[in-house]
Amino acid sequence: EPEVTQTPSHQVTQMGQEVILRCVPISNHLYFYWYRQILGQKVEFLVSFYNNEISEKSEIFDDQFSVERPDGSNFTLKIRSTKLEDSAMYFCASSTSGFSTDTQYFGPGTRLTVL
Amino acid sequence: GQQVMQIPQYQHVQEGEDFTTYCNSSTTLSNIQWYKQRPGGHPVFLIQLVKSGEVKKQKRLTFQFGEAKKNSSLHITATQTTDVGTYFCAEVTNTGNQFYFGTGTSLTVIP
Repeated sequence: EPEVTQTPSHQVTQMGQEVILRCVPISNHLYFYWYRQILGQKVEFLVSFYNNEISEKSEIFDDQFSVERPDGSNFTLKIRSTKLEDSAMYFCASSTSGFSTDTQYFGPGTRLTVL
Repeated sequence: GQQVMQIPQYQHVQEGEDFTTYCNSSTTLSNIQWYKQRPGGHPVFLIQLVKSGEVKKQKRLTFQFGEAKKNSSLHITATQTTDVGTYFCAEVTNTGNQFYFGTGTSLTVIP
């Protein structure tokens, strides 16, 4: 069964450094998402992406964040200058369409630790 | 952002007991999805409810959507240790491009 993959599984960085989290969505999916989950808390929506542009974003997704689909398979989340509070699990997800009835398939996540 | 509240936050049950988690929204939902997240894992889709009053079953799991489409519940009959995890409901915007996850209910099953 096709699945969403994410790399790396764990990223440790110093505060102020830039990080890029990578995701490979399921190949025939058109909509891509990033979520974060601070340890012990709920999953929070960051951004949705379709047709090479941001579709919607939350209040969390400020100017420090950006997303890109650099080629036909990867979908990346960049955090320009990491802060301690960016430490969290970051999940990528994809769906076949953007319909509200569509299922989202989540990747295994990247644990980001900012020191 | 929208708030989807779930209760209880934590639930400990003896294996074989039933379990229910409730999801409540202040607004009318177009549809609601349920996910399960095992400890250390990622959210996995369980089911989607669309119609007012809808009830769906998956083996020992029963999902219900309220008549007013403002609340939903997940009921597990005769829990097993494999049911351990956090159960999230997720509210979906009409555009389908934002999912608002509930606060989650963490289920512990004591053998």
